[in-house]
Amino acid sequence: DAKTTQPTSMDCAEGRAANLPCNHSTISGNEYVYWYRQIHSQGPQYIIHGLKNNETNEMASLIITEDRKSSTLILPHATLRDTAVYYCIVPHNAGNMLTFGGGTRLMVKP
Amino acid sequence: GAVVSQHPSWVICKSGTSVKIECRSLDFQATTMFWYRQFPKQSLMLMATSNEGSKATYEQGVEKDKFLINHASLTLSTLTVTSAHPEDSSFYICSARDQTEKLFFGSGTQLSVL
Repeated sequence: DAKTTQPTSMDCAEGRAANLPCNHSTISGNEYVYWYRQIHSQGPQYIIHGLKNNETNEMASLIITEDRKSSTLILPHATLRDTAVYYCIVPHNAGNMLTFGGGTRLMVKP
Repeated sequence: GAVVSQHPSWVICKSGTSVKIECRSLDFQATTMFWYRQFPKQSLMLMATSNEGSKATYEQGVEKDKFLINHASLTLSTLTVTSAHPEDSSFYICSARDQTEKLFFGSGTQLSVL
């Protein structure tokens, strides 16, 4: 898997947008960027994934830079329930297993 | 999204006994499932890849005779922790890939070995 770098932790005020960055400078042309999150004592939850274009779904938006070396996950209106560890993953093959790094621990505060 | 069911959610067992954890894909068929282990305040570590109808592939350092994996059908994989010891206490999580190639995870099993 391409190596990813994320900040260890971030804070966000409730109701504000949470912007979580990820660097993946060694990404290859066909490799997707996946985002998952893990709430304490639960299995990881799929959020979103993308290849080149920006993506949006009911949970979040994914902004991928033009050179694809970095991306940002955006939670438009963070709630207390969004407090979790967020993982940015670039698997070698789209259907391959996922290797988890340290992720970013997002704390949403009232 | 697709649903992966994992059972039990938590289990407490005595040292030396065996524990079986089940992972089911409820609304899709999964030829491949993955088993992860997670220690407190650490990230998920891949243990093995479970392949339907064939032997599992284990990551380096994971004892195949201790962590028995069976993937007998397209919707069920089991992980058996044999002769469990306190150091095997951990959070075990399974995952399966659906037809859209996205990976979905079970809710995890917290194993405590006394």
